[in-house]
Amino acid sequence: NAGVIQTPRHKVTGKGQEATLWCEPISGHSAVFWYRQTIVQGLEFLTYFRNQAPIDDSGMPKERFSAQMPNQSHSTLKIQSTQPQDSAVYLCASSLVGTGGYEQYFGPGTRLTVL
Amino acid sequence: GDSVTQTEGQVALSEEDFLTIHCNYSASGYPALFWYVQYPGEGPQFLFRASRDKEKGSSRGFEATYDKGTTSFHLRKASVQESDSAVYYCACHDTNAYKVIFGKGTHLHVLP
Repeated sequence: NAGVIQTPRHKVTGKGQEATLWCEPISGHSAVFWYRQTIVQGLEFLTYFRNQAPIDDSGMPKERFSAQMPNQSHSTLKIQSTQPQDSAVYLCASSLVGTGGYEQYFGPGTRLTVL
Repeated sequence: GDSVTQTEGQVALSEEDFLTIHCNYSASGYPALFWYVQYPGEGPQFLFRASRDKEKGSSRGFEATYDKGTTSFHLRKASVQESDSAVYYCACHDTNAYKVIFGKGTHLHVLP
């Protein structure tokens, strides 16, 4: 069991460019969560999929952020027209049970730096 | 909305000291409560959870008891080690939605 895999580990983009972050959840887990982590805001929920279906995206900035889960083995978080305030560590987590009330397994995160 | 408050932003202790990190939550009903630990360069790791009043969760010598009366889930350890140095997060499952709300985190520094 390799755990949750996130790629790339580090990404640097210029202002206005697009960034796509990848997550491979643990095999057999039905829930996938995305979070953003910054020193100021801490861990912020972004979005949640259960059995590949989008369930709750209440934490997503509406205009430039989007997330997909085209199959059970990966999810992507796309940020269009990146801005310096998007710089953060983006964490993906998966859970065996399809609600937020159970243990989540986190990946190591992708550190996004927008210049 | 639901929220989680961790009183201490930073805690500095010496090895074998007693640890308490305070966590209070604001939520209706009986939300599941969690403690996670994060080491540098890694994602948070689950420590333990509790889901009903007076239930105690524990792992690796850490423990916390769900107290609905005081809406608290304080983390305690009797004797900390240098290897316990990390960031500790208290979290609450929003039972009206699916997301988990995390506190701001507490940096624990244990000096040898």
